[in-house]
Amino acid sequence: EIVMTQSPATLSVSPGERVTLSCRASQSVISSLAWYQQKPGQAPRLLLYGASTRATGIPARFSGSGSGTEFTLTISSLQSEDSAVYYCQQYRNWPLTFGGGTKVEIK
Amino acid sequence: EVQLLESGGGWVQPGGSLRLSCAASGFTFTYAMTWVRQAPGKGLEWVSTITGGGGDTFYADSVKGRFTISRDNSKNMLYLQMDSLRADDTALYYCAKALPVLSYDYWGQGTLVTVSS
Repeated sequence: EIVMTQSPATLSVSPGERVTLSCRASQSVISSLAWYQQKPGQAPRLLLYGASTRATGIPARFSGSGSGTEFTLTISSLQSEDSAVYYCQQYRNWPLTFGGGTKVEIK
Repeated sequence: EVQLLESGGGWVQPGGSLRLSCAASGFTFTYAMTWVRQAPGKGLEWVSTITGGGGDTFYADSVKGRFTISRDNSKNMLYLQMDSLRADDTALYYCAKALPVLSYDYWGQGTLVTVSS
């Protein structure tokens, strides 16, 4: 099983700041990596797939990079509505696995 | 508009069974579909995936042999038969639609399963 590790667990950031979230895979997933945003009481929302392709309707301030075992989700200028938990997910191998999540809080 | 509506959750005693359903609309029901669960206050856990034609199914080790995923493409329905339920199966169960790759662009609002004596 590929273990996905996200860091940090929690991040407190001021509006307008740049945010960088990390996701590490225990073995290479090439670029088979997705990012999701989940707000309290809501279902997850797909942000990115293929490590860097934005899903339909996702604002350009969300971007992704990386390949192999190291991936990054960047929010270029944090907005108040970006307060959420962010999960990475690999779909290179079965079982599909998610990271533990990074909670982004607004200062 | 794509909609996924789960139903069938509820309270059940350990060892019991439940059948979850997910009614899909707004898209051609030919994509792979998945169940993902989230225990209270915890992260996301993949449970099971079925391919578009239903010919291939995949399960997390934690549910293999106890859960069965299926679909009825004539009715645009996805199912999860859950047997031998345990307390650690307690979670909100989401159904989700896959892109052509196994990332999920549409999710239902979830149905809550509580396993407790």
